[in-house]
Amino acid sequence: GNSVTQMEGPVTLSEEAFLTINCTYTATGYPSLFWYVQYPGEGLQLLLKATKADDKGSNKGFEATYRKETTSFHLEKGSVQVSDSAVYFCALSLLSGGYNKLIFGAGTRLAVHP
Amino acid sequence: DAGVIQSPRHEVTEMGQEVTLRCKPISGHNSLFWYRQTMMRGLELLIYFNNNVPIDDSGMPEDRFSAKMPNASFSTLKIQPSEPRDSAVYFCASSSGRLNEKLFFGSGTQLSVL
Repeated sequence: GNSVTQMEGPVTLSEEAFLTINCTYTATGYPSLFWYVQYPGEGLQLLLKATKADDKGSNKGFEATYRKETTSFHLEKGSVQVSDSAVYFCALSLLSGGYNKLIFGAGTRLAVHP
Repeated sequence: DAGVIQSPRHEVTEMGQEVTLRCKPISGHNSLFWYRQTMMRGLELLIYFNNNVPIDDSGMPEDRFSAKMPNASFSTLKIQPSEPRDSAVYFCASSSGRLNEKLFFGSGTQLSVL
């Protein structure tokens, strides 16, 4: 079936450290891929997306590249800030039952310390 | 726009009671989703509405759960009777257009069933 697997958290980093959160997917067809972020006490919000192989999504210093050969969409940031502390969700979108259905990974909690 | 509005923010109830969660999507959005978030199962899609019509309710756990969307600006998710295992955060999300790729989430309802 279609699914998303993320690295387990929590990920704990010091401010200005390099961040990688791994995400791999299994899908029939050609999904679009997304990263959503959930700040404490809030709903999820779209961080970035990529719609086809080799596309790079980027936003707020975060980047992720759609790698079809490794079925991956790892999230990276060169220098994290305390304000980046949140839960990050990888997701894929596939046409299913006549509509685009978003399937989320389990989420990875990031804690950044000063 | 105020975003997706959910109420209540917190609900504590006793097993066997009826629980009703409410959602007001963003004006102009024609798709509405109800999700449930738990530590064990992550983020699960419960039901999807398009133009007020339920399109996919395959994620609704059992007959105790029901959802309605009487008009474009309001939806409810009802649990009757509630059970302790229903304790979770319930999110409503809305989107516009055909692709349903950028979802706007509400802040969620934290439900505790004692």
